[in-house]
Amino acid sequence: DQQVKQNSPSLSVQEGRISILNCDYTNSMFDYFLWYKKYPAEGPTFLISISSIKDKNEDGRFTVFLNKSAKHLSLHIVPSQPGDSAVYFCAASGSYNTDKLIFGTGTRLQVFP
Amino acid sequence: KAGVTQTPRYLIKTRGQQVTLSCSPISGHRSVSWYQQTPGQGLQFLFEYFSETQRNKGNFPGRFSGRQFSNSRSEMNVSTLELGDSALYLCASSLAGLGSSEQYFGPGTRLTVT
Repeated sequence: DQQVKQNSPSLSVQEGRISILNCDYTNSMFDYFLWYKKYPAEGPTFLISISSIKDKNEDGRFTVFLNKSAKHLSLHIVPSQPGDSAVYFCAASGSYNTDKLIFGTGTRLQVFP
Repeated sequence: KAGVTQTPRYLIKTRGQQVTLSCSPISGHRSVSWYQQTPGQGLQFLFEYFSETQRNKGNFPGRFSGRQFSNSRSEMNVSTLELGDSALYLCASSLAGLGSSEQYFGPGTRLTVT
C-alpha cells in the first residue's frame, strides 16, 4: 500500500520556467512533509518542509504548498535552473517520537536550456 | 560540521553471505534511520535507532538487523544475502528524533549480491 504517491515519474521543463512537482498521500495522520532532491550516486538532500498547521512554506526559489483536505502537496521551483535536474522525493511523517519517513517513488526533473 | 558518512561505499557479495554496513551520524544527532532504495520501490524504511534503542521498524524480514552504539554510530547487518537485497542502502541522522525534524542522508552503500 503506497501511502505517499508521486504519480509523475518524470517532468521536463525549460530553464527559467516554473517546475511543479506533485505528491499525494492517503494517511490523514501524517503531519509533517518534506521534499528531498537526489543526484545520482549521492544521498538525498533535504530541500524544504512543511508542517500540517501551514499551507505554504517558501525558501528562495522553492515553495511547498499543502492542501490537507485534498491530501495533496506540491513543490514549485521558480525559476527552474539546469542544476535543478535531479530526482525529487516527497516524504511524510506522522508518528510522534519517531523519525520514520514514508517516501514517494520520486519524480525525475529535467531542466533544459 | 561533517556530514553523515557511510562505509563502505560499494560492496559485492555472493548469495548466502552476510554483510555489515556502517553509518556515522552528524555530531550531536541521536537518531539514525536506515533506508533501502531500489529502482522500482523508491526509499523503503528499514529501522530507526535513538539513544541505542530501536524505536521503529519497517516491513523487512528478520535477516535485516541493526544496532546503535553509545556514540550514536550505527551498523546494519544483512544475513543470508539474496539477489533481491541488491540496492543502495542509505542512513540518515536527525537531531531530535521527534518526527518533525529534517533528516540528513549519507551518500549510501551500494550493495550488489551475485
